[in-house]
Amino acid sequence: NAGVTQTPKFQVLKTGQSMTLQCAQDMNHEYMSWYRQDPGMGLRLIHYSVGAGITDQGEVPNGYNVSRSTTEDFPLRLLSAAPSQTSVYFCASSYSWPGSGNTIYFGEGSWLTVV
Amino acid sequence: GESVGLHLPTLSVQEGDNSIINCAYSNSASDYFIWYKQESGKGPQFIIDIRSNMDKRQGQRVTVLLNKTVKHLSLQIAATQPGDSAVYFCAESPGGATNKLIFGTGTLLAVQP
Repeated sequence: NAGVTQTPKFQVLKTGQSMTLQCAQDMNHEYMSWYRQDPGMGLRLIHYSVGAGITDQGEVPNGYNVSRSTTEDFPLRLLSAAPSQTSVYFCASSYSWPGSGNTIYFGEGSWLTVV
Repeated sequence: GESVGLHLPTLSVQEGDNSIINCAYSNSASDYFIWYKQESGKGPQFIIDIRSNMDKRQGQRVTVLLNKTVKHLSLQIAATQPGDSAVYFCAESPGGATNKLIFGTGTLLAVQP
């Protein structure tokens, strides 16, 4: 049981480049989400999905796109990378929505630097 | 991930002592709270949770206390061990059918051997 798997672990991008952070979970969880973590700030929700084919915006969605074509995968796309998107990105999943008491499992993180 | 700790409040304790980590939450309507542990270079890991209809919940070596009057949450770790060294942060669910959690900024726990 791999849990939540994120790739890549580290990435350096040039301003204006696009890329996709991959996330996969093998726990048959309906709820998946992407967070970014910046120094001195708590995790902030970028986008989330409550099931295949359904996505919604979180707190800081600008500059990011997501899709959920399968239950297992929830990729995060940076459309045109900016230095402000330098951050650590975490993918997370849970059986159902977080406020219901379902444990959220996080991936190991993806360190992204935009130069 | 490692740079997050440079901006965080730090609690330094001796191995074997008890640790108390505090969190002030923002929303009086929040009805569910979670404590996470994040080791350097890793993702957050669930420790313990508590609903607003409780004021105390115990796990293995950890206890969470909730004071709704002052919107305060604490995590107590008994007999702190070097492996407990990490960033600890709380999260609150604002109540209702929400899909969002609000995360605190965290406290760095440093255990001295």
